[in-house]
Parts: sequence; structure tokens; C-alpha cells
Amino acid sequence: ETVLTQSPGTLSLSPGERATLSCRASQSVSSSYLAWYQQKPGQPPRLLIYGASSRATGIPDRFSGSGSGTDFTLTISRLEPEDFAVYYCQQYSSSPFTWTFGQGTKVEIK
Amino acid sequence: QLQLQESGPGLVKPSETLSLTCTVSGGSISSSSYYWGWIRQPPGKGLEWIGTIYNSGSTSYNPSLKSRVTISEDASENQFSLSLNSVTAADTAVYYCAFMIFGVVTHWGQGTLVTVSS
Repeated sequence: ETVLTQSPGTLSLSPGERATLSCRASQSVSSSYLAWYQQKPGQPPRLLIYGASSRATGIPDRFSGSGSGTDFTLTISRLEPEDFAVYYCQQYSSSPFTWTFGQGTKVEIK
Repeated sequence: QLQLQESGPGLVKPSETLSLTCTVSGGSISSSSYYWGWIRQPPGKGLEWIGTIYNSGSTSYNPSLKSRVTISEDASENQFSLSLNSVTAADTAVYYCAFMIFGVVTHWGQGTLVTVSS
């Protein structure tokens, strides 16, 4: 079973700064099936990035994803006030059929 | 527009069975291309995949929960359901139903908090 480890656990930044979030897999993951989500308090997660680097519908271009193999990154180029939230990476495997989430990175206002 | 809505008891006693239903609107659960699942989130913690139903009845479950979980569908009502037996306090969580396609969750229900307590 693939384990996803996100770092850091918490990122303290100011609006306008760049945020770099890491997601490391315990074994190689298909880039086609690596996604990132944003979650705000009291809300379900929202899909940001799929296929490691493709933005979901309506997601601003300040969000970008990159990586392959076991190392993936979500970058927020300039933090807006509404970007302070918790971010999760997620991978899907068809063999065995499993879905796995990382433990999350909280981006908080410094 | 696809919408999902969870329903079920908010309080379950220890050792009993947690049962939730997800009602889908704006799409048919019978489509062979679609995957429907359950994901949970304990208070203040991260997301955990519980299981998925697809291809009109095939299922796959998280190995850590497999012995206690059943996901089923009712195509006539356009609903799918979660049953988790022998619950403990560790099963207290917000339970989300979800639409999954191409390996990602594109649509989520609003979530329902289920508390396990006597």
C-alpha cells in the first residue's frame, strides 16, 4: 500500500508570498493519478490539481502542480487571503484498487 | 449539475452499525464509467478513503476497514449506501459521499457528522 507523506505539516506565510507544498510517496505513483485538494473549515475538499499538473475547472493559475515518480509539489505563486486552508494530496491505484490521501499541510497566515 | 447529499443518524452506539445513504441528483449512478465512494474525516484530522462502488455493483474497500464495511447501491432511487458495523469511538467522523472519475474526486457531498457514543 502506498503511503503519501506531506511536508511541512504547517506553513506560516504572509499574503503575496509563495507557498511550496510537498507530497512524497512511499513507492512510485502514476502521475496520471496524483491530485491535490484544498479544504476550508466546515467545507468538503475542493479539487485543485489532477494528473499531477492539470488545473481543475475554475482554479486560478496561481496554483500549479509538478512532479513525478515519488515526489510531487503544489505551488501557490502568490498567496491570496482565500488560499489559507489545508491542502491534501491523493493518489489512485488500480492494482490494487485503492485511494490514498496524504495527512495534509495547513497553510496559515503568518 | 451533479449533486450528492448524505443522510442518516448523527449518533450511533458503540458496537452497533453505522448506516448512511447518499442521494445523487444530476447524474445516474448506473453509468458504468462512474465510481461512487465514501470518505471520512475524524474531527481535526485528515481524509480516509473507506470504499468505492462501480460498474453497477463491484466494490473495493480500504483494507483497514474491509472486514466491517459494505457499500451497496439502489439504482431505482439513484442512491448508494454505506454500512459500517461494530463501530467504536474511533469511527466518529464526518462522512462524505463522493463522485470519483479518472482517479480523482470531482464532487463531494457536504458531509455528515456521525458520533459514536453511548
